[in-house]
Amino acid sequence: GQQLNQSPQSMFIQEGEDVSMNCTSSSIFNTWLWYKQDPGEGPVLLIALYKAGELTSNGRLTAQFGITRKDSFLNISASIPSDVGIYFCAGQGANDYKLSFGAGTTVTVRA
Amino acid sequence: DAGVIQSPRHEVTEMGQEVTLRCKPISGHDYLFWYRQTMMRGLELLIYFNNNVPIDDSGMPEDRFSAKMPNASFSTLKIQPSEPRDSAVYFCASSLSGRTQHFGDGTRLSIL
Repeated sequence: GQQLNQSPQSMFIQEGEDVSMNCTSSSIFNTWLWYKQDPGEGPVLLIALYKAGELTSNGRLTAQFGITRKDSFLNISASIPSDVGIYFCAGQGANDYKLSFGAGTTVTVRA
Repeated sequence: DAGVIQSPRHEVTEMGQEVTLRCKPISGHDYLFWYRQTMMRGLELLIYFNNNVPIDDSGMPEDRFSAKMPNASFSTLKIQPSEPRDSAVYFCASSLSGRTQHFGDGTRLSIL
């Protein structure tokens, strides 16, 4: 699949802080998705973005589809302990339904 | 609503044995995807189906791997013969019209 660069690789945050992570690609995507994976479970879809420039919120989560279609970011506001987990970005091209995944951002919250 | 259901959740077997992983997609979904997750390579797409027909199997690592979807509510991923390097977590995902994919909880496979 295509190469996605996700950063940061990991982060330790204080409860109540805002968190930001992003993904960049060398190729254009038509869809950006953000997933969260808890230990022993499968990735759970958080937010889906379908249009360049689109800004979408889901509770304390906000994600944006970059104008160039080569990047996306995810923000978590006022983090809580259950935000702990691994967050993955995924991109989908125009011509097929394959998802290319970033390497993940591991979030650990200090109570 | 039931999500994607995978079985078994854990499988430990010896090298050379046949392994069969099973997946029941969300009812009404027309796309089914098989992924493998390892620490080294992350999440990789192995194969996907549309309306039970394999569309792209370019991610299947070797001829030892095969996947079938005999009907809209069931798919299998088979490894024969299995090798230690096949140890990973295997995920099945399904979607409606190929867009947002919903994942099962995976099968953790250990080949000794």
